[in-house]
Amino acid sequence: EVELVESGGGLGQPGMSLRLSCAASGFMFDDYAMHWVRQTPGKGLEWVSGAAWNSRVLGYADSVKGRFTISRDNAKSSLYLHMNSLRPEDTALYYCVKEGRQWRYGHYYYYMDVWGKGITVTVSS
Amino acid sequence: IQLTQSPSFLSASVGDRVTITCRASQDISNYLAWYQQKPGKAPDLLIYAASTMQDGVPSRFSGSGAGTQFTLTISSLQPEDFATYYCQQFDSYPALTFGGGTKVEI
Repeated sequence: EVELVESGGGLGQPGMSLRLSCAASGFMFDDYAMHWVRQTPGKGLEWVSGAAWNSRVLGYADSVKGRFTISRDNAKSSLYLHMNSLRPEDTALYYCVKEGRQWRYGHYYYYMDVWGKGITVTVSS
Repeated sequence: IQLTQSPSFLSASVGDRVTITCRASQDISNYLAWYQQKPGKAPDLLIYAASTMQDGVPSRFSGSGAGTQFTLTISSLQPEDFATYYCQQFDSYPALTFGGGTKVEI
């Protein structure tokens, strides 16, 4: 069974750091790009960051650029999000997400096909 | 790339035909996916490549559009379809964005 399990969330003070981890199982982790997506309580989804299978392509939302760093360890089938200089607006439920792809109409099409249950991060003094 | 969904809220009854629109701020070809999210759950993929159904998704769901205008249609709303729906673009990979969501209520 394909599964993503997040850990490492909790309470952090403004300006401090937290590291989220995601343990993947049930698929060839090093074949797929992975992402972090967050959701503020009662609000919508926000893509945070993504990493290609080989970490050669990394992306960040403008809201976290320069503060968050995504990384992955393919040998451990794990994805990480290092969050520095935390702000109250970073308070959210963070999902670890697997990217899927299909070859159609002469192109690869991408989508997010497996989501973890999410881990809560609260930034407050 | 910004994605604007309309409406933000939609009240409907079982059996209704429902249409949700997602408009992109620039041409994204058909690099668009739709997700359904129920309270307390992670989103589920419904459609990718604007109109290709994910395996296992009921045929009452369909997607269409290209360029900057996309729609998600539920042909006959079922009780289990009351949820929030999001569009997402993959054109500006790896910088991805979601629409603001459409909550479908009874």
